[in-house]
Amino acid sequence: QQPVQSPQAVILREGEDAVINCSSSKALYSVHWYRQKHGEAPVFLMILLKGGEQKGHDKISASFNEKKQQSSLYLTASQLSYSGTYFCGTERGFGNEKLTFGTGTRLTIIP
Amino acid sequence: DTGVSQDPRHKITKRGQNVTFRCDPISEHNRLYWYRQTLGQGPEFLTYFQNEAQLEKSRLLSDRFSAERPKGSFSTLEIQRTEQGDSAMYLCASSPRGKSGANVLTFGAGSRLTVL
Repeated sequence: QQPVQSPQAVILREGEDAVINCSSSKALYSVHWYRQKHGEAPVFLMILLKGGEQKGHDKISASFNEKKQQSSLYLTASQLSYSGTYFCGTERGFGNEKLTFGTGTRLTIIP
Repeated sequence: DTGVSQDPRHKITKRGQNVTFRCDPISEHNRLYWYRQTLGQGPEFLTYFQNEAQLEKSRLLSDRFSAERPKGSFSTLEIQRTEQGDSAMYLCASSPRGKSGANVLTFGAGSRLTVL
């Protein structure tokens, strides 16, 4: 079942922060985050495994709430290069190892 | 490491024709995935392989779709008797699952199919 992302779209000025949420109705083993720019393939950002960990690099970080089956992606002090569509991908665990992608969140950063 | 390669990048065909797409994964990756993406939507899972074994095929996939990975290296996705609803970007991805424990997918640039 496809995870649900919110918001569907967001417009920010350069330097502002954003939070993108991903929610699943099924128990999850991992949550992945990808960014896709127009006309390009999705590019891996980070993966979070069950255990409620939080990860980040530079000004992009993410958390995974295993009990709620929710993940959030945090973008701080956004840069123009952050523009694109963000997808979460969920994996339910061994024996069910395909990645199911969410509905996507389009992020537009304006100068 | 040359990344994931897909061919052709663009294909225009008439309804009813057969088309075949090829994917060359990263050489050390044992998992290979096919996804379909339409405008404004997330990638939709079609099927995946571990080495040459096809482990899962989406229930949404009609019998007109078939995929192979004969020697556990490159893969082909064939669509028979194409329909206009098949128009989409077909994405291939590979991962080193089982070797590193992390199922991180690397995507190819995709093959865009237009059915007239």
